[in-house]
Amino acid sequence: AQSVTQLDSHVSVSEGTPVLLRCNYSSSYSPSLFWYVQHPNKGLQLLLKYTSAATLVKGINGFEAEFKKSETSFHLTKPSAHMSDAAEYFCVVSNTGFQKLVFGTGTRLLVSP
Amino acid sequence: KAGVTQTPRYLIKTRGQQVTLSCSPISGHRSVSWYQQTPGQGLQFLFEYFSETQRNKGNFPGRFSGRQFSNSRSEMNVSTLELGDSALYLCASSSMTGRNTEAFFGQGTRLTVV
Repeated sequence: AQSVTQLDSHVSVSEGTPVLLRCNYSSSYSPSLFWYVQHPNKGLQLLLKYTSAATLVKGINGFEAEFKKSETSFHLTKPSAHMSDAAEYFCVVSNTGFQKLVFGTGTRLLVSP
Repeated sequence: KAGVTQTPRYLIKTRGQQVTLSCSPISGHRSVSWYQQTPGQGLQFLFEYFSETQRNKGNFPGRFSGRQFSNSRSEMNVSTLELGDSALYLCASSSMTGRNTEAFFGQGTRLTVV
């Protein structure tokens, strides 16, 4: 069965510094991977997705992620954090024939001034 | 283009009651999925409907059920509510089913069981 592991439950950064949110996946064959963000009392918004095209995926709001098969990783990065980036981030895998997403446990990103 | 709309946004029910939640997908989307979000279990897949047919179901008891109408709107029903059913229920719509298709989420219905 497919799964994702988010390695940090909380990440704290200062505004203007880089962001790194780590995710490892487990899948028996080539997965589709996503990063979603959830702001307080809001639904989930798609940041980016990997579907076996380019290994470096660019998303919205300056985020990007790199798919590394050898390391089974799909880490999310951003060069410079903004206060509005404070939220919970979910790494997600899907590799079935149906619309079923398997979520990681989430990483809460805290951004200080 | 309107997003995914879930109603109601908040709901308080008593143990033993039943509840129906509604989801209107993005216009033209035929796949609707439901997820339960709790602090302890995180986000878990409930079921997916595509063209009025349940395509996949998560590991939840039979008290959780759903349906999809011909206009793609979906409802989920929880009978004999338990305290542990308190959660944020999220609906997602997709243009088609399949692993590469991105899902668009509504803001959710927060259900509190007392």
